[in-house]
Amino acid sequence: GAVVSQHPSRVICKSGTSVKIECRSLDFQATTMFWYRQFPKQSLMLMATSNEGSKATYEQGVEKDKFLINHASLTLSTLTVTSAHPEDSSFYICSAREQGWYNYGYTFGSGTRLTVV
Amino acid sequence: KQEVTQIPAALSVPEGENLVLNCSFTDSAIYNLQWFRQDPGKGLTSLLLIQSSQREQTSGRLNASLDKSSGRSTLYIAASQPGDSATYLCAASVAGGTSYGKLTFGQGTILTVHP
Repeated sequence: GAVVSQHPSRVICKSGTSVKIECRSLDFQATTMFWYRQFPKQSLMLMATSNEGSKATYEQGVEKDKFLINHASLTLSTLTVTSAHPEDSSFYICSAREQGWYNYGYTFGSGTRLTVV
Repeated sequence: KQEVTQIPAALSVPEGENLVLNCSFTDSAIYNLQWFRQDPGKGLTSLLLIQSSQREQTSGRLNASLDKSSGRSTLYIAASQPGDSATYLCAASVAGGTSYGKLTFGQGTILTVHP
């Protein structure tokens, strides 16, 4: 089945630094990837939709300059949290869809726990 | 705007019980509905996907049904086991409009199966 690899699984960074999270589709081409944020004991909140070769589309209220998304290839999307602050600490999850997603659905990565100290 | 609601928020059952998790959505214009499992601190594992034209899907001890007209889906777990303990999320994919293909998630049901 489709596999999405997300790295790193955990990262601790100092306030003011930037952190990059990678999301790779291992055995399929993902023209569209999605980035979510999840707060403790809450559901997933969609942050942005990433299409290969074009600018990401951000959901209302998500700062595009803070959360930089790049989808340079059909198998890789990255999320960079710039000038991170403690309030950016959260669980970030990516997902990808392949052709025929109507039938196969979406595949999710294993998530990244970001802690900003 | 699509809204997805899951009931109950939490469920604790003894091992061996059959149980039903409920998911309701406000907009019936969906491509499909997907059920996921999430273990603490982990990503989402897809359990079942029901296309909008289908009524149900089965995988092992899991059975999911979909009634688009009433905006409801249920996940039935037979003979529950402690290993089934996790958070179960349902998500509806939006059909058409600017939100094409996006998933709208419910808040999840936290399931605990005790020995």
